[in-house]
Amino acid sequence: GENVEQHPSTLSVQEGDSAVIKCTYSDSASNYFPWYKQELGKGPQLIIDIRSNVGEKKDQRIAVTLNKTAKHFSLHITETQPEDSAVYFCAAPYPSGYALNFGKGTSLLVTP
Amino acid sequence: EPEVTQTPSHQVTQMGQEVILRCVPISNHLYFYWYRQILGQKVEFLVSFYNNEISEKSEIFDDQFSVERPDGSNFTLKIRSTKLEDSAMYFCASTNRGVNTEAFFGQGTRLTVV
Repeated sequence: GENVEQHPSTLSVQEGDSAVIKCTYSDSASNYFPWYKQELGKGPQLIIDIRSNVGEKKDQRIAVTLNKTAKHFSLHITETQPEDSAVYFCAAPYPSGYALNFGKGTSLLVTP
Repeated sequence: EPEVTQTPSHQVTQMGQEVILRCVPISNHLYFYWYRQILGQKVEFLVSFYNNEISEKSEIFDDQFSVERPDGSNFTLKIRSTKLEDSAMYFCASTNRGVNTEAFFGQGTRLTVV
């Protein structure tokens, strides 16, 4: 099945700096890569996703890049703000396409 | 904005008891999921449900677990005989067209087995 590895497990940055979180996956047939943000006491919420037919996608301060050859994708947050502090999960579909396999999460702390 | 709602928010149960966790997915969604998250760990897939049947289940989803869509709005997860290791946050999610699209998660039910 799909194996998703995520790094780092914790990340601390100063407000205004950039944050980068990386994930690798094992199934070369995977074609959809979402990123979820989980705030304390809440369920995960999609913040951005990318499909395998593009290499990069941006949405304001958030971007995701995908390297299909190397089987890795990354989340980039620019101009970080304290409200960006949360746990971020990458994911990739199971081969069947009926479920998501999540990475172990990155706890991001943005200090003022 | 439509949302997935889960009840109860917290359930405490004794080991060996049965529990039912309830979810109301987004009304026009067709695919429903249960995931769990043990404290401090990653979100793990349990089961997906489409067209009134299980479409996939993980190795976690053994005979102690079952799911049901008893009516047009609810989606339930039953654990027949709870174990201490079932203590976790259980999330329901729904999508409108399979997994390669945004999954909307509920707030979760924290299950504590004592």
